[in-house]
Amino acid sequence: KQEVTQIPAALSVPEGENLVLNCSFTDSAIYNLQWFRQDPGKGLTSLLLIQSSQREQTSGRLNASLDKSSGRSTLYIAASQPGDSATYLCAVLAGANSKLTFGKGITLSVRP
Amino acid sequence: DGGITQSPKYLFRKEGQNVTLSCEQNLNHDAMYWYRQDPGQGLRLIYYSQIVNDFQKGDIAEGYSVSREKKESFPLTVTSAQKNPTAFYLCASRPLGIYGYTFGSGTRLTVV
Repeated sequence: KQEVTQIPAALSVPEGENLVLNCSFTDSAIYNLQWFRQDPGKGLTSLLLIQSSQREQTSGRLNASLDKSSGRSTLYIAASQPGDSATYLCAVLAGANSKLTFGKGITLSVRP
Repeated sequence: DGGITQSPKYLFRKEGQNVTLSCEQNLNHDAMYWYRQDPGQGLRLIYYSQIVNDFQKGDIAEGYSVSREKKESFPLTVTSAQKNPTAFYLCASRPLGIYGYTFGSGTRLTVV
């Protein structure tokens, strides 16, 4: 059974810091990995999608990497801003039914 | 703009009532999903459908029912058999294949 882990559950950093959010998964036979952002009481916004054949994807200040063999992904946020404060979830797509399995998320707080 | 519309945003249910949550998408996506989100538990899959008039149970289907009569619509009914329905419900869709998910803005259901 696929399990996705995100540690720590919460993170607080000062504005301007570059930071890395980690995600690990137990079964490397995935189709892709997706990073989402969730603001309190809101739905999920897709940030980056990395296919299993890719190593990384970039969008603005965000860069996500994927090491499928070791079961790890990282989301790099450059020059963090208070507006980046949110919960970040990673999810992997795998299995015959293309099931998406989520981690529990990392709640990020960027202090002004 | 294409997207997923969930309604209502907030819903209150009395004990013993059935309630239906609406999910409509205009993305022409084949697959649609319902997830439940509880604090500290992450997202759990309730039901999914990959084609009209067909759907499958997810990990926590007991007490829920769905229908898929149209490609654009995938309503979720929370029945009186669901013992703990208070949660945040998220609908998602995606094209078939190894593509990413798009989520709606969610419905918060509270039992009163």
